[in-house]
Amino acid sequence: GAGVSQSPSNKVTEKGKDVELRCDPISGHTALYWYRQSLGQGLEFLIYFQGNSAPDKSGLPSDRFSAERTGGSVSTLTIQRTQQEDSAVYLCASSALRGVGNEQFFGPGTRLTVL
Amino acid sequence: AQSVTQLDSQVPVFEEAPVELRCNYSSSVSVYLFWYVQYPNQGLQLLLKYLSGSTLVKGINGFEAEFNKSQTSFHLRKPSVHISDTAEYFCAVSEDSGTYKYIFGTGTRLKVLA
Repeated sequence: GAGVSQSPSNKVTEKGKDVELRCDPISGHTALYWYRQSLGQGLEFLIYFQGNSAPDKSGLPSDRFSAERTGGSVSTLTIQRTQQEDSAVYLCASSALRGVGNEQFFGPGTRLTVL
Repeated sequence: AQSVTQLDSQVPVFEEAPVELRCNYSSSVSVYLFWYVQYPNQGLQLLLKYLSGSTLVKGINGFEAEFNKSQTSFHLRKPSVHISDTAEYFCAVSEDSGTYKYIFGTGTRLKVLA
């Protein structure tokens, strides 16, 4: 079956512009995660959605970052007034169930470049 | 707070030689441990995971890892590497609570030389 998909694969924007990154999780997966992969920084947790529960936003680096998940499926990560330090690969992952050892399946990522 | 340390940012090794990629973690609660691999221009793929039970875990592509609670380590090993193993390897920890989000290490770039 189809894996996690993300769009666009690459996004180049100018400093100060807003961007939206999209994630389509695996069908039926109730948990969805966003991570950021910066050069030399590894992967950094941003936000987590589980079903209809309130999202865990503890990893969002500033109030310029927000995310929503519509209908328990597709998710959009929005970055307002982008800064150069926002340049990174943004990864989305989904898993079937919340809980012990549930494997997270990752999408290919969106490479964001802020000029 | 939990954290994951991968001390080696790059590991060069000759083809058919053994390799060990090191991972240490810190946490005050029970953890679950994972190794993911990222091939060039691809997403992350699960290699193996430790949840409980036997401390020696076998994964795909001939990799294995051993959980050592006293040393808080989860090193990844392969007895004989191939050129195709060239990739970046990430160790991750998930605590037994809350969202089960992963805390990742900074990654180790394995380069297999002919």
